Amino acid sequence: KQEVTQIPAALSVPEGENLVLNCSFTDSAIYNLQWFRQDPGKGLTSLLLIQSSQREQTSGRLNASLDKSSGRSTLYIAASQPGDSATYLCAVAGGTSYGKLTFGQGTILTVHP
Amino acid sequence: GAVVSQHPSWVICKSGTSVKIECRSLDFQATTMFWYRQFPKQSLMLMATSNEGSKATYEQGVEKDKFLINHASLTLSTLTVTSAHPEDSSFYICSAPPWTASYEQYFGPGTRLTVT
Repeated sequence: KQEVTQIPAALSVPEGENLVLNCSFTDSAIYNLQWFRQDPGKGLTSLLLIQSSQREQTSGRLNASLDKSSGRSTLYIAASQPGDSATYLCAVAGGTSYGKLTFGQGTILTVHP
Repeated sequence: GAVVSQHPSWVICKSGTSVKIECRSLDFQATTMFWYRQFPKQSLMLMATSNEGSKATYEQGVEKDKFLINHASLTLSTLTVTSAHPEDSSFYICSAPPWTASYEQYFGPGTRLTVT
């Protein structure tokens, strides 16, 4: 059974800092890995999707890497802003169950001015 | 981009009643949709896979007679919580992949269910 762990559980940083969120998964037979953002009481916003054959994806100030063999992914946020404050969720799609996502517990990010 | 909507966004119901939640793909067709549940301070857990034209498949531990899923069309899936109890109070979110090649998931805004 796939298990996804995110570290740290919470992170508080001053505005402008670069930061790294970590995600690890136990079964390397994944189809893809997706990073989401969730604001309090809201749904999920897709940030980045990395296919199992890819090593990284970039979107603006966000960069996500994937090391499938070691079961790790990182989300790098450059020049953090207060508007980045949210919960960040990592989710993996299984090798044979493409649409089923297994989520980590999330990292609660607070960026203070 | 792909948009998924849910209705209602929040609902309060009395214990013992049934509640229907709708999930719609607004600008694409989805033969498959997924229903997740999120308890406070917890992550999302997959409840079931909704399949257009066939029965839903449920994850282990999810009561299929309690959580009825109907994928009525290529753009609509409904989740009905039957005989709701306070422990069913949760945040229910659906998702759909608009492109089967990448299977990137797009999520609805969620429905907050409170059972009193």
